[in-house]
Amino acid sequence: GAVVSQHPSRVICKSGTSVKIECRSLDFQATTMFWYRQFPKQSLMLMATSNEGSKATYEQGVEKDKFLINHASLTLSTLTVTSAHPEDSSFYICTGKGFGNEQFFGPGTRLTVL
Amino acid sequence: QKEVEQNSGPLSVPEGAIASLNCTYSDRGSQSFFWYRQYSGKSPELIMSIYSNGDKEDGRFTAQLNKASQYVSLLIRDSQPSDSATYLCAVNRNFGNEKLTFGTGTRLTIIP
Repeated sequence: GAVVSQHPSRVICKSGTSVKIECRSLDFQATTMFWYRQFPKQSLMLMATSNEGSKATYEQGVEKDKFLINHASLTLSTLTVTSAHPEDSSFYICTGKGFGNEQFFGPGTRLTVL
Repeated sequence: QKEVEQNSGPLSVPEGAIASLNCTYSDRGSQSFFWYRQYSGKSPELIMSIYSNGDKEDGRFTAQLNKASQYVSLLIRDSQPSDSATYLCAVNRNFGNEKLTFGTGTRLTIIP
């Protein structure tokens, strides 16, 4: 299958700071990337859909000004958690979708906000 | 009714037996069906995709799709302890960049 990477894999930050997470498709062009969040022992929650060169589409209840998404190229999307607070601590996962219909998950980024 | 339903488990299966995971979906327009495996603390990994009615086999895994019954299943033959994980069923309509709808997952434990 196709490979998606995320960086960093783990980040700990102080409350009020901003954190940027990168998602890269390594061996395919991801026309669309999706960002998910998963709290412990809960299912995946889709946050937003990101298409290269256009604004992201956010799911209901997700604050677009707090979770900034940029999909500047066919291989890179970034999620910035602005003014992070402890309740934003979660496992953030991106997926890349190429020209087929399968989505490939990145390894995830575990965010801890103190 | 949830869009994609799975038995949350836990499902316990003896090593070497067949594990059967089930998923039902409510949207009759669904065209693409996926099974992901998620180990604890890790992100999901795609293990099977199926688009047509019938069976699709890949190694020890067989996906079965019945669109009339809105049912998709995953069989794991010769279950191994390494198969212990949460299995997520996902569907979409296959329209352009349509998002996936996930079930809540079934936790499978293979008993040595």
